[in-house]
Amino acid sequence: DAKTTQPTSMDCAEGRAANLPCNHSTISGNEYVYWYRQIHSQGPQYIIHGLKNNETNEMASLIITEDRKSSTLILPHATLRDTAVYYCIVPEDYGQNFVFGPGTRLSVLP
Amino acid sequence: DADVTQTPRNRITKTGKRIMLECSQTKGHDRMYWYRQDPGLGLRLIYYSFDVKDINKGEISDGYSVSRQAQAKFSLSLESAIPNQTALYFCATSDSADRGTDTQYFGPGTRLTVL
Repeated sequence: DAKTTQPTSMDCAEGRAANLPCNHSTISGNEYVYWYRQIHSQGPQYIIHGLKNNETNEMASLIITEDRKSSTLILPHATLRDTAVYYCIVPEDYGQNFVFGPGTRLSVLP
Repeated sequence: DADVTQTPRNRITKTGKRIMLECSQTKGHDRMYWYRQDPGLGLRLIYYSFDVKDINKGEISDGYSVSRQAQAKFSLSLESAIPNQTALYFCATSDSADRGTDTQYFGPGTRLTVL
């Protein structure tokens, strides 16, 4: 079973920020949090990952709470093409096993 | 990601046939993985390989075998296909030298249907 829990689905208005939460209360000190997304049936696309500090790249921002038990992926200006299933992953087996749970289905609405 | 390619992209076969799915990568990564995805579900790990001489079973290896022919190539075989192996299959790669993390990069997938 995945070490993370996410809401099943979320809606977001086009142009607004999409904030996707993830709980990982059993995360240990040296485990990273990864975010991927899957658009329709394409291969999962890497978005971002982090350990302790907040991270930002050209796709998104990742906010990790100080206790590291939860995180939020932020898409600052969602577009229709951001409609996808978003997976929050804490790899198992010393970082080698990426367990993909059901993820959050984000629908960006016009 | 065009750096990870999978062939074929779609395949329809019959029960009992032997099928091979191939994965090639130009990323220079040493680690490669095979996953399957069933409709509406997340991905499940079938096999993974950390280098050419290393093969490891994942969560659902029964009914599958793999071959790591070279650092850039990792093949998945179904020796005798059955209908419940109908699924989307994804190959992924990662770089063990990636500064303590193991970010995986996925291919476009192969849609396999077993009749």
